[in-house]
Amino acid sequence: AQSVSQHNHHVILSEAASLELGCNYSYGGTVNLFWYVQYPGQHLQLLLKYFSGDPLVKGIKGFEAEFIKSKFSFNLRKPSVQWSDTAEYFCAVNARSNTGKLIFGQGTTLQVKP
Amino acid sequence: DTAVSQTPKYLVTQMGNDKSIKCEQNLGHDTMYWYKQDSKKFLKIMFSYNNKELIINETVPNRFSPKSPDKAHLNLHINSLELGDSAVYFCASSRSLVDQETQYFGPGTRLLVL
Repeated sequence: AQSVSQHNHHVILSEAASLELGCNYSYGGTVNLFWYVQYPGQHLQLLLKYFSGDPLVKGIKGFEAEFIKSKFSFNLRKPSVQWSDTAEYFCAVNARSNTGKLIFGQGTTLQVKP
Repeated sequence: DTAVSQTPKYLVTQMGNDKSIKCEQNLGHDTMYWYKQDSKKFLKIMFSYNNKELIINETVPNRFSPKSPDKAHLNLHINSLELGDSAVYFCASSRSLVDQETQYFGPGTRLLVL
């Protein structure tokens, strides 16, 4: 069965620090990969996604993620975080079944101190 | 201008009751979903519908019955509520079942069963 693992449950950073959130998935076939973010009091929204091409994907608000197929990983990065990046971050995978089924990781809470 | 809306936002009820959660999207999407988020913030897909047709039913107890009267609505009815049903329920929609499509989430309905 597919699964997604996010290693960091709760991350606390100071503003301007660099961020890397880990995401690994278990599935042998071809996948599409997503990072979603939920800001306090807001809806879950898409940060970025990867399905083919350049494994380094750029998203909104300066975020990027790199797909490393050999490591089954899709880590999220940002060189310099801001207080407004405080949010819940969810990695998700689907297995190209055209059912729309997303498998989510358990999420990472990011707290950025001003 | 809410894209995906859910009602109610909060629902507190007694064990054994029957309740419904409504979801509407104004994006013109063909596909809609229900997800359950447990107390550990783990998001798991329950159902997906495409053009009012059930596509995914993730071994959800048959006390949960989704209903899609039209493409813009996907309601969730829950019979004989149990303590373990306490969770946040998210509705989502996407343009189609194609895996690369972004899913747009509603604000969630917080259900507490006493």
